[in-house]
Amino acid sequence: NAGVTQTPKFQVLKTGQSMTLQCAQDMNHNSMYWYRQDPGMGLRLIYYSASEGTTDKGEVPNGYNVSRLNKREFSLRLESAAPSQTSVYFCASRLQGSNNQPQHFGDGTRLSIL
Amino acid sequence: AQSVSQHNHHVILSEAASLELGCNYSYGGTVNLFWYVQYPGQHLQLLLKYFSGDPLVKGIKGFEAEFIKSKFSFNLRKPSVQWSDTAEYFCAVNGNYGQNFVFGPGTRLSVLP
Repeated sequence: NAGVTQTPKFQVLKTGQSMTLQCAQDMNHNSMYWYRQDPGMGLRLIYYSASEGTTDKGEVPNGYNVSRLNKREFSLRLESAAPSQTSVYFCASRLQGSNNQPQHFGDGTRLSIL
Repeated sequence: AQSVSQHNHHVILSEAASLELGCNYSYGGTVNLFWYVQYPGQHLQLLLKYFSGDPLVKGIKGFEAEFIKSKFSFNLRKPSVQWSDTAEYFCAVNGNYGQNFVFGPGTRLSVLP
């Protein structure tokens, strides 16, 4: 049981390049999330998907787009990467239905924009 | 809007010392509270959660946390830390009527052998 799988684990981009981060979960969770983690700032929500077919902006959506491809997969796209997007990106999933359910996290993607 | 603050940015302890990490939240309604741990180079893992009932909750690896509603606090404790507890600790909150979690900025714990 893999849980939440993110690919790639590391990536270096040049400013202006595009990139899609992939996330898949095998826990039959309804909700999926993308966060970025920066030193001293904790995790900030970029986008989330409460259920298949829906996506919503989080706290820091500018410069990103998402696609909820199916129940398992939720991808994050950087159309034109900027150095300010250098960060560690985490995908998470959660079983909807009760708000006391925790999120389950992937291993993260470490992204550097030069 | 919800917010979460964590009192300490970096805590340094010797092995066997007792630990208490502070967490305060700002939210007007009923909340669910979580502590996550992130070991170096790894993803966040759930330590414990509170949503109702006994305000003292026990988690994995000997950690516990106490919810004090009047103080809007959910402090994490461990009686005796080990070197292997070196990690970053995040407090998080979500409300009963919302989908989203709000995370605190994290507290880095360094345990010296």
